[in-house]
Amino acid sequence: QKEVEQDPGPLSVPEGAIVSLNCTYSNSAFQYFMWYRQYSRKGPELLMYTYSSGNKEDGRFTAQVDKSSKYISLFIRDSQPSDSATYLCAMSRSGGYQKVTFGTGTKLQVIP
Amino acid sequence: ETGVTQSPTHLIKTRGQQVTLRCSSQSGHNTVSWYQQALGQGPQFIFQYYREEENGRGNFPPRFSGLQFPNYSSELNVNALELDDSALYLCASSKAGTSTDTQYFGPGTRLTVL
Repeated sequence: QKEVEQDPGPLSVPEGAIVSLNCTYSNSAFQYFMWYRQYSRKGPELLMYTYSSGNKEDGRFTAQVDKSSKYISLFIRDSQPSDSATYLCAMSRSGGYQKVTFGTGTKLQVIP
Repeated sequence: ETGVTQSPTHLIKTRGQQVTLRCSSQSGHNTVSWYQQALGQGPQFIFQYYREEENGRGNFPPRFSGLQFPNYSSELNVNALELDDSALYLCASSKAGTSTDTQYFGPGTRLTVL
């Protein structure tokens, strides 16, 4: 069993929809949680960085962490075609991007 | 586009050869991490360098080694290449000891081992 599980998709939604992306994990030592967006043939781009449980909002993006359930989510409001990309969850035991463990990524397509 | 650059963009090697990949960090960043991303997978952490010292290593054999230079640029060296080493190699820079918590990735080097 992988430490971080993420549904690979693909996930297709109409423009303007609310998108929900999720990951589960097995290692209770994870304390730092990240979401990245990766366009085709590009490096990942950090979207959200959170510590421990709770919510964090940045523009159209909201990250949620539920450590009791070992479950993290990324919500995208008012989705746009430019949001079409692969979304990677990631987590680590310590800060500073040390030994980060990534999920496999969920491919999202937003249809105009 | 980030300020992290990587070279070369693409590389083809044969099994058993050695390869060196290079990374130039974002201005002001003193930490660099290297990742291997196989097709259809998430990146896997290889190691991190801070102040020219290895600062954590993932589950990769010793034939994967690195260097960080005083200007914070970095190299990833892979010896005795195997077919399974074919992947996208990504470097990412960050600044240790700040609250900004921003990490920037380069575009990657696509390595093909034949």
